[in-house]
Amino acid sequence: DVKVTQSSRYLVKRTGEKVFLECVQDMDHENMFWYRQDPGLGLRLIYFSYDVKMKEKGDIPEGYSVSREKKERFSLILESASTNQTSMYLCASSPQGAYQPQHFGDGTRLSIL
Amino acid sequence: QKEVEQNSGPLSVPEGAIASLNCTYSDRGSQSFFWYRQYSGKSPELIMFIYSNGDKEDGRFTAQLNKASQYVSLLIRDSQPSDSATYLCAVNMDRGSTLGRLYFGRGTQLTVWP
Repeated sequence: DVKVTQSSRYLVKRTGEKVFLECVQDMDHENMFWYRQDPGLGLRLIYFSYDVKMKEKGDIPEGYSVSREKKERFSLILESASTNQTSMYLCASSPQGAYQPQHFGDGTRLSIL
Repeated sequence: QKEVEQNSGPLSVPEGAIASLNCTYSDRGSQSFFWYRQYSGKSPELIMFIYSNGDKEDGRFTAQLNKASQYVSLLIRDSQPSDSATYLCAVNMDRGSTLGRLYFGRGTQLTVWP
């Protein structure tokens, strides 16, 4: 069965902190994705990766960076957290190919105070 | 600009009725289409996918695709209160790409009342 694990379900941080969100998948998927989801705005793609050390910007990359040192792990980094980054963060993975669905982790609800 | 449009709802139907959820997309060359269900406070889960024009049935769910009209829909027959959720339409609009990027609509909120 597909398993995408996000390191924290809830996280509270302070403005200006550097924040790391971790995601691990056990399906040997090539593609991994980070989204944020806000009421009324839907899912917005932050960054995605199609291979180790490869990354592509999504629609809202400002204020974020990512790291993929191993195939199974994709990290999202908030360089200097701000209150407008309070959101639900969702990680997803998929195999390579145009007909593959994405499988989501349980999400991390991040609050920046 | 690649866009996926859904009626935000809320859509409210009585138990046992057919719920019809609609989605349009901007890119004519789109290849694959997915429906996700998201319960409040939970992450999206895949319920249907469709690649070819026509209907695809899976239990109480039917996905319908019309590429000429750039339209995909989800029908839920015999709706149950447990179907109450937000339904997300997702489309792969990057023709020729294997990167698997999906473009999501904002979702339609469905309420099934007893």
